[in-house]
Amino acid sequence: DAGVIQSPRHEVTEMGQEVTLRCKPISGHDYLFWYRQTMMRGLELLIYFNNNVPIDDSGMPEDRFSAKMPNASFSTLKIQPSEPRDSAVYFCASIQGATGFDEQFFGPGTRLTVL
Amino acid sequence: AQSVTQLGSHVSVSEGALVLLRCNYSSSVPPYLFWYVQYPNQGLQLLLKYTSAATLVKGINGFEAEFKKSETSFHLTKPSAHMSDAAEYFCAVSRSAGNQFYFGTGTSLTVIP
Repeated sequence: DAGVIQSPRHEVTEMGQEVTLRCKPISGHDYLFWYRQTMMRGLELLIYFNNNVPIDDSGMPEDRFSAKMPNASFSTLKIQPSEPRDSAVYFCASIQGATGFDEQFFGPGTRLTVL
Repeated sequence: AQSVTQLGSHVSVSEGALVLLRCNYSSSVPPYLFWYVQYPNQGLQLLLKYTSAATLVKGINGFEAEFKKSETSFHLTKPSAHMSDAAEYFCAVSRSAGNQFYFGTGTSLTVIP
């Protein structure tokens, strides 16, 4: 398995533009988490899914953020419109819950810069 | 509510010296506890976890951590630091399988040759 795949790895956009981040989890994993990491706030959970269903989206900062998981092999995080304060590294994590967290892997992240 | 506090945002040790990274947790239920390592420009990698089995947990790369309920601590140790251990380390707590993780603010470990 290639591990958790995130794309793009780097994104530079201008304020007001729509940004879509993508994540392909590890096959067979039933949990998918989206995190945001900044120097100021550290790692923040944005949303997580279980079997493609959103379980907790209380970390999504505003209505500008939305996430979907249409199937077990793909998830998107969309920001519309983007703002400079959204600049951060966004991580996707894939976990097999039945293993008691033994099987958990983070993707390499997407570094987002909003100008 | 669950939370973790990592004492010391920066720790420096000499190569070959003991590594001790501190983590205290707060949890209303028996917790799951984790340590992760993050190398520059990479995602987090699980080092070890505590899930109510043995209180002394051994992880990868020679690290281990001891769950001490009386002290609400889960400190990470390694007997002898290696240059390759230089990275950011995060402690995290979760209530149970299927619940979210709460991360500490991280500790940056520097290893001095």
